[in-house]
Amino acid sequence: EPEVTQTPSHQVTQMGQEVILRCVPISNHLYFYWYRQILGQKVEFLVSFYNNEISEKSEIFDDQFSVERPDGSNFTLKIRSTKLEDSAMYFCASIKRDRGQVGYGYTFGSGTRLTVV
Amino acid sequence: GESVGLHLPTLSVQEGDNSIINCAYSNSASDYFIWYKQESGKGPQFIIDIRSNMDKRQGQRVTVLLNKTVKHLSLQIAATQPGDSAVYFCAEILTGGGNKLTFGTGTQLKVEL
Repeated sequence: EPEVTQTPSHQVTQMGQEVILRCVPISNHLYFYWYRQILGQKVEFLVSFYNNEISEKSEIFDDQFSVERPDGSNFTLKIRSTKLEDSAMYFCASIKRDRGQVGYGYTFGSGTRLTVV
Repeated sequence: GESVGLHLPTLSVQEGDNSIINCAYSNSASDYFIWYKQESGKGPQFIIDIRSNMDKRQGQRVTVLLNKTVKHLSLQIAATQPGDSAVYFCAEILTGGGNKLTFGTGTQLKVEL
């Protein structure tokens, strides 16, 4: 079964450093997402990406965050200057979104645990 | 603001019993709902989905019921097994919202032997 792949599985970084989280969405999917989950809390939407541009972003997704799809397969989330409160699990997701389908095929990766120290 | 929430934070059931996990949503514009299972340290795993024009949908050992009148969603798991122990989230997709998911707070299901 197709999977969304995320790397690394765990990233430790010092406060103020830049991090790039990587994702390979399912190949025929059209919409891409980043979500995050602070330990013990619910999953929160960060940003959606379609047709090579951001289609929606949350209040969490401030100027320190950016996304890119550099080569048609990878989808990255960059945090320019990490803060302690950025520590969380970051999940990538993708959907196909065909009209007429019952489902969205919303598939999540296994996540990257980001720890900012 | 609009939100999706779960009634019970923890549900304990005996192995072999049926489990019912509930969810209340507040946005009547939502047109699609998904139940996810999340095991410790893993990403949300799709269980079952339902469109707003449906009342019920069945999968393997799972059934989702949607009551639009009271904006209520439930997940029924038949013959609960130890492997079903996890946190369960309901999520809704908001119409015109770029297909983003809004998650509820989660219910911890514990299966006792």
